[in-house]
Formats: sequence, structure tokens, C-alpha cells
Amino acid sequence: ETGVTQTPRHLVMGMTNKKSLKCEQHLGHNAMYWYKQSAKKPLELMFVYSLEERVENNSVPSRFSPECPNSSHLFLHLHTLQPEDSALYLCASSQGTGVNQPQHFGDGTRLSIL
Amino acid sequence: KQEVTQIPAALSVPEGENLVLNCSFTDSAIYNLQWFRQDPGKGLTSLLLIQSSQREQTSGRLNASLDKSSGRSTLYIAASQPGDSATYLCAVNAAGNKLTFGGGTRVLVKP
Repeated sequence: ETGVTQTPRHLVMGMTNKKSLKCEQHLGHNAMYWYKQSAKKPLELMFVYSLEERVENNSVPSRFSPECPNSSHLFLHLHTLQPEDSALYLCASSQGTGVNQPQHFGDGTRLSIL
Repeated sequence: KQEVTQIPAALSVPEGENLVLNCSFTDSAIYNLQWFRQDPGKGLTSLLLIQSSQREQTSGRLNASLDKSSGRSTLYIAASQPGDSATYLCAVNAAGNKLTFGGGTRVLVKP
């Protein structure tokens, strides 16, 4: 139990569907992150939120839309995805965005695009 | 742009052997380097964090070294066990707690 919970664990969707990934942290952290882990590429940072404000958008296509309604919850809204978006999406949290603040990871959502 | 490379991509050893995992990075302007472990279908667990001013960090059977000037880190796992089978990832932290990851080394320790 890492204190970071992601739902659903698995998601299969068509290219025209709209779905959302959810992340919840119970650690009292105030920074949250979305990462993408593809089969053939290193783990990539997508978005960073600090105190519910987006502080990083790492050139992510607009078909991925993050939302951070409070410091405990982070969503990734998905629409009109492509087959290459199939991947493991990992959420992490930390106490601030200082370089020595360890990030705690959830177990991820395995997304498959048909 | 920072690039992180891990060699080998996969490694298989008999139980009891020592493991040596390598990580290299192109930009030496880093704050720290971390080693993570990832089990199949799971998230990442932090193993060791080495500050840029440190040369090594130890935790139990794990020892990580850092040579910032040459852009290299090595993770040593002594007396490997089947439970050490996992993927090991290294990541460098340059600013804003934004980690750049290597592709990982998949380790299999055979009983």
C-alpha cells in the first residue's frame, strides 16, 4: 500500500470514447504527477500539479486533459485517443516539488485503445 | 535535452550472484539520481536516492554509486535472491522534481 490509489486498474476503450482516469493520494501531499509508460519508450512525465495549479505540461496532446480539483485528487480525462496511446498511466504524489521530495507512485491504469 | 540510458536491458543470473546495473545520463547538471524497482503490473518503489554531492548510497544489500562528471551511476545488489526479480529504473532530477527516466533493466534471478 503506497498511499496512492489509481482507478480503474485496467481500461479498454475505443478511439471515439471519453473516459477518465482517477488518482487519489492519502499522504497529505500537495504535488501530483501523471506519467506515461509505453512498451517501447522510457517512462515519461506528462503533467505536474502543485497546490492544485498545473506547473508542467510536457508537450502532451490536447486529447489528454488533466484536472486537479483538490490536493488529494487528480484526474486524466481522455477523448479521441489513438492506438499509440495504449500504455500504463502512473500517478505519483510528493510533498512539494522540491528536488529532494520523494515521489510515491500508484500501481497505474493499464489503458488499451482498440 | 537530458537522456538516460540503462544497459543491459535485461539480465538473468543464478541466485547468489551479485548484480551490476548501469545507468548513464547526458547532462551532468542534476540535483540527484534515484533508483526504483518496478514489479509486473505495479507502480514504482524508490530504492535509493543519491544527491549530486554524494558518491554513493547504501541500503542493506543495495549500493548505488554516482559519478556525476562522467554521467554514470551503478546499482549493485549483493547476493541476489529470486525476490530481486523485477525491473530496475534509474531517474535523474534536474529541476522542479521532474524526473527523467531510463528504459529500465529487467532482472531475473533464477533459483
